[in-house]
Amino acid sequence: GNSVTQMEGPVTLSEEAFLTINCTYTATGYPSLFWYVQYPGEGLQLLLKATKADDKGSNKGFEATYRKETTSFHLEKGSVQVSDSAVYFCALSTNTGGFKTIFGAGTRLFVKA
Amino acid sequence: DAGVIQSPRHEVTEMGQEVTLRCKPISGHNSLFWYRQTMMRGLELLIYFNNNVPIDDSGMPEDRFSAKMPNASFSTLKIQPSEPRDSAVYFCASSLGQTPGAFFGQGTRLTVV
Repeated sequence: GNSVTQMEGPVTLSEEAFLTINCTYTATGYPSLFWYVQYPGEGLQLLLKATKADDKGSNKGFEATYRKETTSFHLEKGSVQVSDSAVYFCALSTNTGGFKTIFGAGTRLFVKA
Repeated sequence: DAGVIQSPRHEVTEMGQEVTLRCKPISGHNSLFWYRQTMMRGLELLIYFNNNVPIDDSGMPEDRFSAKMPNASFSTLKIQPSEPRDSAVYFCASSLGQTPGAFFGQGTRLTVV
């Protein structure tokens, strides 16, 4: 079946450090891939997405590239801020009569000033 | 648009009582998802609807859980009878059928004592 695996957290970084959160997936067909962010006490927000191989999703300084050959969608940011502290979820979505989205376990990020 | 609206935001109930969680999806969206989030199990898809029809309810934990979508603008998730292990945050999300990526509500934090 379809699944998403992402690196375990927590990840602790200093402000302005480089961020990478690894994500790999297993899916039949051609899924769309997503990163969601969840701030404390809130629901998940869509951060970025990519719908086909080699697409790069980007938003708010975050980027991720859909790598079909390695079945990966790693999240990167060149310089993190304290306000980026949150839980990040990698997800995939396949069209099965409407898009069913499957999430990874989430990676908590702490950014220290 | 007000986004996905869930009610109540918090619910505390006694074991054995019936609990009903409510969700209003974004107008025009035709897919609706119910998720449960716990520390132990992460984010689990319980059920999803497309055009008001349940497509996949394989994530519903047991018969105590039921979900309905009587029309395009309203859905309920009911737990009867509730148990302490049902304590979690329940999220509703909606999406536009052929557009991947779901929009989440703020969630309902359920505590069963």
